[in-house]
Amino acid sequence: GQQLNQSPQSMFIQEGEDVSMNCTSSSIFNTWLWYKQDPGEGPVLLIALYKAGELTSNGRLTAQFGITRKDSFLNISASIPSDVGIYFCAGHLPGGTSYGKLTFGQGTILTVHP
Amino acid sequence: DAGVTQSPTHLIKTRGQHVTLRCSPISGHKSVSWYQQVLGQGPQFIFQYYEKEERGRGNFPDRFSARQFPNYSSELNVNALLLGDSALYLCASTAGPGDYGYTFGSGTRLTVV
Repeated sequence: GQQLNQSPQSMFIQEGEDVSMNCTSSSIFNTWLWYKQDPGEGPVLLIALYKAGELTSNGRLTAQFGITRKDSFLNISASIPSDVGIYFCAGHLPGGTSYGKLTFGQGTILTVHP
Repeated sequence: DAGVTQSPTHLIKTRGQHVTLRCSPISGHKSVSWYQQVLGQGPQFIFQYYEKEERGRGNFPDRFSARQFPNYSSELNVNALLLGDSALYLCASTAGPGDYGYTFGSGTRLTVV
């Protein structure tokens, strides 16, 4: 099935550092979403991107929808301990057969050392 | 405002049994999707329902079925459980077509022994 390649798989950083993660695909997506998941919880939507080239911020988080529509990145600035968790990218393919289907990346595990 | 609510939160079943998982969407949301998340992986799409009709289906066997009720709540049913069905089952809701800001519930942790 359709795959999203998310990297890196894990990151260990010091509090205050900036973080960058990205997702790539062989297919074009018409929507990119970034989620954060804490242990025992469902994913929480951080940022949604709807247009190629779109750059959107949510506090210390910034995400961009790649021009080719096949990639997206998420940056976290000045990380804090509560940023710990698993970050997922997700995309929605165009076309009626993909109705309602989000394709998720494998996740990036973020650990922040105080 | 209540978010997406799922029940039960945890469940242990034996191989071959049947299970029913329940989901209530955010008030005003008419679309519900189901996802399976195996430990260490991203969620995998199972079904989407909108206005009580199935609008999307993922690559899962016919042992998986679902339905949506007039109040937009939904059930996911899995028959003849296998050990590999052990996973976190997530429900997500949106207002409807064109709304891709899916809000997820906390999930049901199913363990098959």
